Amino acid sequence: GAVVSQHPSRVICKSGTSVKIECRSLDFQATTMFWYRQFPKQSLMLMATSNEGSKATYEQGVEKDKFLINHASLTLSTLTVTSAHPEDSSFYICSARGFGGLTLYEQYFGPGTRLTVT
Amino acid sequence: GQSLEQPSEVTAVEGAIVQINCTYQTSGFYGLSWYQQHDGGAPTFLSYNALDGLEETGRFSSFLSRSDSYGYLLLQELQMKDSASYFCGLVTHDKIIFGKGTRLHILP
Repeated sequence: GAVVSQHPSRVICKSGTSVKIECRSLDFQATTMFWYRQFPKQSLMLMATSNEGSKATYEQGVEKDKFLINHASLTLSTLTVTSAHPEDSSFYICSARGFGGLTLYEQYFGPGTRLTVT
Repeated sequence: GQSLEQPSEVTAVEGAIVQINCTYQTSGFYGLSWYQQHDGGAPTFLSYNALDGLEETGRFSSFLSRSDSYGYLLLQELQMKDSASYFCGLVTHDKIIFGKGTRLHILP
């Protein structure tokens, strides 16, 4: 099956620093990757959608300059949380969608990254 | 806009059957999908309904009624490992919009 990896799984950083999270599709080419944020016991909040080679589309209320997304290849997308603050502490999950209409309804999720900003 | 409603929590007994409902509002969508997420883990795909009716996958079934803007996930022969959160999602041309999730508690 389709596998998506995320790195790191956990990261602790100091307030004011930047953190980069990588999302990779391991055995398929991901035309579209999605970044979600999830607070404890809450829903998946879509932050942005990225298509390979083009700028990410951010959801309303998500700061583009704070959450930088790059989708440089069909297997890699990165999320950089710039100048992180404690309120940015959360569980960040990426997902990917591959080629073809059959995969339109199915997204493959990465294992998530737990970010803690101190 | 698009929105989904599902119960925040449901409790059932091991071995029993449980139904998790999902109602939605949308101006257009391709179908309704369901995902399972265990604590600390990633969501995993369970089922998808593009058409009205029932889709069965082992112990899990999902139903969609477009005329009623309603769907449900049915879990049979509940096992303790089914304790998790379940999300319904509206599949559109460019993304999936998720409900807030239903936390399923299973009693022995």
